[in-house]
Amino acid sequence: DTEVTQTPKHLVMGMTNKKSLKCEQHMGHRAMYWYKQKAKKPPELMFVYSYEKLSINESVPSRFSPECPNSSLLNLHLHALQPEDSALYLCASRSSGTDTQYFGPGTRLTVL
Amino acid sequence: SQKIEQNSEALNIQEGKTATLTCNYTNYSPAYLQWYRQDPGRGPVFLLLIRENEKEKRKERLKVTFDTTLKQSLFHITASQPADSATYLCALDGGAGGTSYGKLTFGQGTILTVHP
Repeated sequence: DTEVTQTPKHLVMGMTNKKSLKCEQHMGHRAMYWYKQKAKKPPELMFVYSYEKLSINESVPSRFSPECPNSSLLNLHLHALQPEDSALYLCASRSSGTDTQYFGPGTRLTVL
Repeated sequence: SQKIEQNSEALNIQEGKTATLTCNYTNYSPAYLQWYRQDPGRGPVFLLLIRENEKEKRKERLKVTFDTTLKQSLFHITASQPADSATYLCALDGGAGGTSYGKLTFGQGTILTVHP
Protein backbone atom coordinates (compact mmCIF):
# COMPACT_ATOMS: atom_id res chain seq x y z
CA ASP A 1 0.00 0.00 0.00
CA THR A 2 1.54 3.31 -1.09
CA GLU A 3 -1.30 5.56 -0.10
CA VAL A 4 -1.18 9.00 1.44
CA THR A 5 -4.59 10.37 2.35
CA GLN A 6 -5.53 14.02 2.80
CA THR A 7 -8.63 15.64 4.21
CA PRO A 8 -10.57 17.63 3.35
CA LYS A 9 -10.50 17.47 -0.46
CA HIS A 10 -11.77 21.02 -0.75
CA LEU A 11 -11.78 23.88 1.74
CA VAL A 12 -13.16 27.39 1.46
CA MET A 13 -12.29 29.79 4.25
CA GLY A 14 -12.45 33.45 5.05
CA MET A 15 -9.40 35.48 5.96
CA THR A 16 -10.30 35.46 9.67
CA ASN A 17 -10.98 31.72 9.93
CA LYS A 18 -8.85 29.04 11.53
CA LYS A 19 -8.80 25.68 9.81
CA SER A 20 -6.59 22.61 9.59
CA LEU A 21 -5.50 20.25 6.84
CA LYS A 22 -4.82 16.65 7.70
CA CYS A 23 -2.50 14.08 6.12
CA GLU A 24 -2.10 10.42 7.01
CA GLN A 25 0.13 7.57 5.87
CA HIS A 26 0.54 4.04 7.19
CA MET A 27 3.61 3.03 5.24
CA GLY A 28 5.96 3.52 8.19
CA HIS A 29 7.68 6.45 6.49
CA ARG A 30 9.51 8.73 8.90
CA ALA A 31 9.81 11.77 6.62
CA MET A 32 6.70 13.78 5.73
CA TYR A 33 6.31 16.91 3.65
CA TRP A 34 3.94 19.77 2.89
CA TYR A 35 4.00 21.34 -0.55
CA LYS A 36 2.03 24.20 -2.06
CA GLN A 37 1.08 24.19 -5.73
CA LYS A 38 -0.39 27.13 -7.63
CA ALA A 39 -2.13 26.65 -10.97
CA LYS A 40 0.21 25.72 -13.83
CA LYS A 41 3.23 25.74 -11.48
CA PRO A 42 5.20 22.88 -9.95
CA PRO A 43 4.86 21.93 -6.28
CA GLU A 44 6.93 24.09 -3.93
CA LEU A 45 8.25 22.69 -0.68
CA MET A 46 6.95 24.28 2.51
CA PHE A 47 7.94 22.03 5.43
CA VAL A 48 9.75 18.77 6.08
CA TYR A 49 9.31 16.60 9.17
CA SER A 50 11.84 13.92 9.93
CA TYR A 51 11.13 11.50 12.78
CA GLU A 52 8.32 13.82 13.91
CA LYS A 53 10.63 16.81 14.22
CA LEU A 54 10.51 19.83 11.94
CA SER A 55 13.73 19.71 9.92
CA ILE A 56 13.06 22.20 7.12
CA ASN A 57 10.90 25.33 7.01
CA GLU A 58 11.23 27.04 3.64
CA SER A 59 10.63 30.52 5.09
CA VAL A 60 6.89 29.95 5.18
CA PRO A 61 4.79 32.74 6.77
CA SER A 62 3.70 32.04 10.34
CA ARG A 63 0.04 31.96 9.33
CA PHE A 64 0.88 28.36 8.28
CA SER A 65 1.69 26.19 11.27
CA PRO A 66 2.65 22.54 10.79
CA GLU A 67 2.30 19.83 13.38
CA CYS A 68 3.32 16.18 13.46
CA PRO A 69 1.43 14.50 16.34
CA ASN A 70 2.82 11.03 15.53
CA SER A 71 4.70 9.18 12.82
CA SER A 72 1.57 8.63 10.71
CA LEU A 73 -0.08 12.03 10.94
CA LEU A 74 0.77 15.47 9.66
CA ASN A 75 -1.37 18.56 10.12
CA LEU A 76 -1.19 22.04 8.66
CA HIS A 77 -2.95 24.67 10.75
CA LEU A 78 -4.15 27.74 8.89
CA HIS A 79 -4.94 31.12 10.40
CA ALA A 80 -5.50 34.58 8.94
CA LEU A 81 -4.73 33.49 5.41
CA GLN A 82 -4.70 35.77 2.39
CA PRO A 83 -6.46 35.21 -0.95
CA GLU A 84 -3.05 34.60 -2.56
CA ASP A 85 -2.69 31.53 -0.32
CA SER A 86 -5.37 29.81 -2.41
CA ALA A 87 -3.70 26.76 -3.94
CA LEU A 88 -3.51 22.97 -3.95
CA TYR A 89 -1.80 21.80 -0.76
CA LEU A 90 -0.02 18.50 -1.11
CA CYS A 91 1.29 16.16 1.53
CA ALA A 92 3.96 13.56 0.80
CA SER A 93 5.90 10.93 2.67
CA ARG A 94 9.27 9.41 1.80
CA SER A 95 10.46 5.87 2.07
CA SER A 96 13.91 5.77 3.69
CA GLY A 97 14.60 2.53 1.85
CA THR A 98 13.89 3.66 -1.70
CA ASP A 99 13.87 7.49 -1.30
CA THR A 100 10.62 7.58 -3.25
CA GLN A 101 8.22 10.33 -2.24
CA TYR A 102 4.53 9.44 -2.37
CA PHE A 103 2.01 12.24 -2.67
CA GLY A 104 -1.54 12.51 -1.46
CA PRO A 105 -4.34 13.78 -3.68
CA GLY A 106 -4.14 17.26 -2.19
CA THR A 107 -6.51 19.74 -0.56
CA ARG A 108 -7.84 22.47 -2.83
CA LEU A 109 -7.89 25.59 -0.63
CA THR A 110 -9.76 28.76 -1.53
CA VAL A 111 -9.36 31.85 0.67
CA LEU A 112 -12.06 34.46 0.23
CA SER B 1 22.00 29.63 -8.62
CA GLN B 2 20.37 26.22 -8.86
CA LYS B 3 18.11 25.70 -11.83
CA ILE B 4 15.99 22.85 -13.23
CA GLU B 5 14.64 23.14 -16.76
CA GLN B 6 12.24 20.93 -18.58
CA ASN B 7 12.87 21.97 -22.12
CA SER B 8 9.36 21.76 -23.49
CA GLU B 9 6.35 23.35 -21.89
CA ALA B 10 4.16 21.21 -24.14
CA LEU B 11 4.72 18.18 -26.35
CA ASN B 12 2.21 16.82 -28.84
CA ILE B 13 2.68 13.40 -30.42
CA GLN B 14 0.70 10.77 -32.29
CA GLU B 15 -0.46 7.60 -30.60
CA GLY B 16 2.05 4.78 -30.93
CA LYS B 17 5.08 7.06 -31.15
CA THR B 18 7.75 7.47 -28.47
CA ALA B 19 7.53 10.59 -26.33
CA THR B 20 10.87 11.94 -25.10
CA LEU B 21 10.94 14.54 -22.34
CA THR B 22 14.07 16.36 -21.19
CA CYS B 23 15.14 17.62 -17.79
CA ASN B 24 18.34 19.69 -17.46
CA TYR B 25 19.82 21.08 -14.30
CA THR B 26 22.62 23.39 -13.23
CA ASN B 27 24.44 23.89 -9.93
CA TYR B 28 23.04 20.70 -8.45
CA SER B 29 24.72 17.51 -7.34
CA PRO B 30 21.64 15.39 -6.80
CA ALA B 31 21.84 11.99 -5.23
CA TYR B 32 18.83 10.98 -7.32
CA LEU B 33 16.21 12.25 -9.72
CA GLN B 34 12.54 11.33 -9.86
CA TRP B 35 9.87 11.56 -12.54
CA TYR B 36 6.23 12.10 -11.70
CA ARG B 37 2.97 12.21 -13.62
CA GLN B 38 0.33 14.74 -12.60
CA ASP B 39 -3.24 14.93 -13.84
CA PRO B 40 -5.21 18.20 -13.45
CA GLY B 41 -6.27 18.87 -9.86
CA ARG B 42 -4.55 15.76 -8.48
CA GLY B 43 -1.34 15.01 -6.63
CA PRO B 44 1.78 13.87 -8.49
CA VAL B 45 2.10 10.12 -9.01
CA PHE B 46 5.57 8.61 -8.72
CA LEU B 47 6.85 6.92 -11.87
CA LEU B 48 10.60 6.29 -11.68
CA LEU B 49 13.62 7.14 -9.53
CA ILE B 50 17.17 6.98 -10.87
CA ARG B 51 20.30 7.43 -8.76
CA GLU B 52 23.46 9.32 -9.64
CA ASN B 53 25.39 6.09 -10.20
CA GLU B 54 22.74 4.63 -12.54
CA LYS B 55 22.63 5.29 -16.27
CA GLU B 56 19.21 3.92 -17.13
CA LYS B 57 16.06 2.57 -15.51
CA ARG B 58 13.05 0.92 -17.11
CA LYS B 59 9.52 0.15 -16.04
CA GLU B 60 7.10 -1.29 -18.56
CA ARG B 61 6.82 1.34 -21.36
CA LEU B 62 8.83 3.90 -19.42
CA LYS B 63 12.57 4.49 -19.58
CA VAL B 64 14.66 7.14 -17.87
CA THR B 65 18.32 7.97 -18.39
CA PHE B 66 20.56 10.08 -16.18
CA ASP B 67 23.77 11.70 -17.38
CA THR B 68 25.49 13.51 -14.50
CA THR B 69 28.20 14.82 -16.84
CA LEU B 70 25.68 16.50 -19.13
CA LYS B 71 23.45 17.21 -16.10
CA GLN B 72 20.50 15.84 -17.98
CA SER B 73 17.77 13.22 -17.67
CA LEU B 74 15.68 11.92 -20.54
CA PHE B 75 12.29 10.32 -19.95
CA HIS B 76 10.81 8.12 -22.66
CA ILE B 77 7.32 6.70 -23.07
CA THR B 78 7.24 4.10 -25.83
CA ALA B 79 4.09 3.09 -27.73
CA SER B 80 2.35 6.14 -26.31
CA GLN B 81 -1.41 6.13 -25.75
CA PRO B 82 -3.95 8.94 -25.29
CA ALA B 83 -4.19 7.84 -21.63
CA ASP B 84 -0.56 8.94 -21.22
CA SER B 85 -1.64 12.55 -21.70
CA ALA B 86 -0.72 14.44 -18.52
CA THR B 87 1.88 16.78 -17.08
CA TYR B 88 5.22 15.13 -16.38
CA LEU B 89 7.48 16.58 -13.71
CA CYS B 90 11.11 15.88 -12.99
CA ALA B 91 12.33 16.45 -9.45
CA LEU B 92 15.83 16.53 -7.98
CA ASP B 93 16.80 15.99 -4.40
CA GLY B 94 19.17 18.31 -2.61
CA GLY B 95 22.12 15.92 -2.58
CA ALA B 96 23.42 13.20 -0.32
CA GLY B 97 24.05 14.04 3.30
CA GLY B 98 22.76 16.88 5.44
CA THR B 99 19.25 18.24 5.67
CA SER B 100 18.89 18.70 1.90
CA TYR B 101 18.69 14.96 1.34
CA GLY B 102 15.14 14.10 0.33
CA LYS B 103 14.31 17.75 -0.29
CA LEU B 104 12.80 17.75 -3.78
CA THR B 105 12.83 20.65 -6.18
CA PHE B 106 10.63 20.29 -9.25
CA GLY B 107 11.00 21.37 -12.84
CA GLN B 108 8.20 23.37 -14.41
CA GLY B 109 6.70 20.29 -16.05
CA THR B 110 5.94 19.24 -19.61
CA ILE B 111 2.34 18.87 -20.72
CA LEU B 112 2.20 15.79 -22.93
CA THR B 113 -0.74 15.31 -25.27
CA VAL B 114 -1.01 12.05 -27.20
CA HIS B 115 -3.37 12.31 -30.15
CA PRO B 116 -5.31 9.24 -31.34
